[in-house]
Amino acid sequence: QVQLVESGGGVVQPGRSLRLSCAASGFSFNVNSMHWVRQAPGKGPEWVAFISSDGTNQYYADSVKGRFTISRDTSKNTLYLQMNSLRDEDTAIYHCARAAYLDVWGKGTTVTVSS
Amino acid sequence: DIQMTQSPSSLSASIGDRVTITCRASQDISNYLAWFQQKPGKPPKSLIYGASTLQGGVPSKFSGSGSGTDFTLTISSLESEDFATYYCQQYYNYPYSFGQGTKLEIK
Repeated sequence: QVQLVESGGGVVQPGRSLRLSCAASGFSFNVNSMHWVRQAPGKGPEWVAFISSDGTNQYYADSVKGRFTISRDTSKNTLYLQMNSLRDEDTAIYHCARAAYLDVWGKGTTVTVSS
Repeated sequence: DIQMTQSPSSLSASIGDRVTITCRASQDISNYLAWFQQKPGKPPKSLIYGASTLQGGVPSKFSGSGSGTDFTLTISSLESEDFATYYCQQYYNYPYSFGQGTKLEIK
């Protein structure tokens, strides 16, 4: 079945880095654009980043631009989010989601930024 | 950036009721509008895309309409599993944006 499984979350101090992964299965990963979407505790979803199916185009939310980098490895059917210079306000559950209208979501991985 | 505004923020209804949630975009987004349902501790679930196209497996009691700036999500004949928070989201351009959510509660 179609599945997205995130990993790599944890507790990290402000200013440090973390890399999230999203393993895709059950569909053709190489023909689908992918996104990261986060949800802070008690808040609604916030779109974070996009990468095109071939990896050549990326877009970012202003709140993470210059600090986060989205990438993908088609050979491993895996999406990544490199998060640098983390801030308290980056604390959230991070989900990967498929395609333009986010039709499939992973359960998410929790990132807590705290000193 | 496109702002998405949902109303109401919360809604109290009874089993069997028909409810409508409204979503307004700050500029024309054609029909690039999706609706999601979220239950506590779960990721959002895609219900509708293209403003009115149901995702596979979504029951027909859910329907969406609208184009341009004004959109609605209607749930006919509420059942217990429908009580959740609903979000609209535009995918017309980047950055994608979500409405603030409508929490549907049992009266």
